[in-house]
Amino acid sequence: GAVVSQHPSRVICKSGTSVKIECRSLDFQATTMFWYRQFPKQSLMLMATSNEGSKATYEQGVEKDKFLINHASLTLSTLTVTSAHPEDSSFYICSATRLLETYEQYFGPGTRLTVT
Amino acid sequence: QKEVEQNSGPLSVPEGAIASLNCTYSDRVSQSFFWYRQYSGKSPELIMSIYSNGDKEDGRFTAQLNKASQYVSLLIRDSQPSDSATYLCAVNSPMDSSYKLIFGSGTRLLVRP
Repeated sequence: GAVVSQHPSRVICKSGTSVKIECRSLDFQATTMFWYRQFPKQSLMLMATSNEGSKATYEQGVEKDKFLINHASLTLSTLTVTSAHPEDSSFYICSATRLLETYEQYFGPGTRLTVT
Repeated sequence: QKEVEQNSGPLSVPEGAIASLNCTYSDRVSQSFFWYRQYSGKSPELIMSIYSNGDKEDGRFTAQLNKASQYVSLLIRDSQPSDSATYLCAVNSPMDSSYKLIFGSGTRLLVRP
């Protein structure tokens, strides 16, 4: 298989606080992990690409100081939304590609963030 | 011009019919093509990958690739109401070494009982 987990599945936080989302590949080593955001009835939007042990590459328009990504190992990446605001409320989804394989991305179940 | 284009739909088919979903892409050197299914409120799930011209079958699903026409399609035979979802076409980004995929905006499929 190629199972990716995310935690938490849902989180509600107050405006101004930070939230950390974990993404783990459970049964494979992930060369690269990706973080997406999806607003209701809209397309997936790639936020950043991360490789183990190196800095994430952010897509144009994504604030790297607001969305902190750490890829500590071949099975774990974290996204921290700092100083969250209501407009950050969205569905955050990670995906991973298998070590030494190419482009197939396996998605985690997503984290629904609500900022009040 | 969008890099990966899909008709947003909805595509409505009766139960038992063949659903045909289409996708065009702009980068001629793309080599890897994927179809993902996304149910409402859930994350995408990989259902098919195709790398060579022609057809690739997996159960009720058939992916078709025509690199000359820059066209990839997904056929779903014997469509079931449970197939109702948004289908995302994804293509590799050859100019990017990060294994990034370019996603279309998706086609919503509705299978009527």
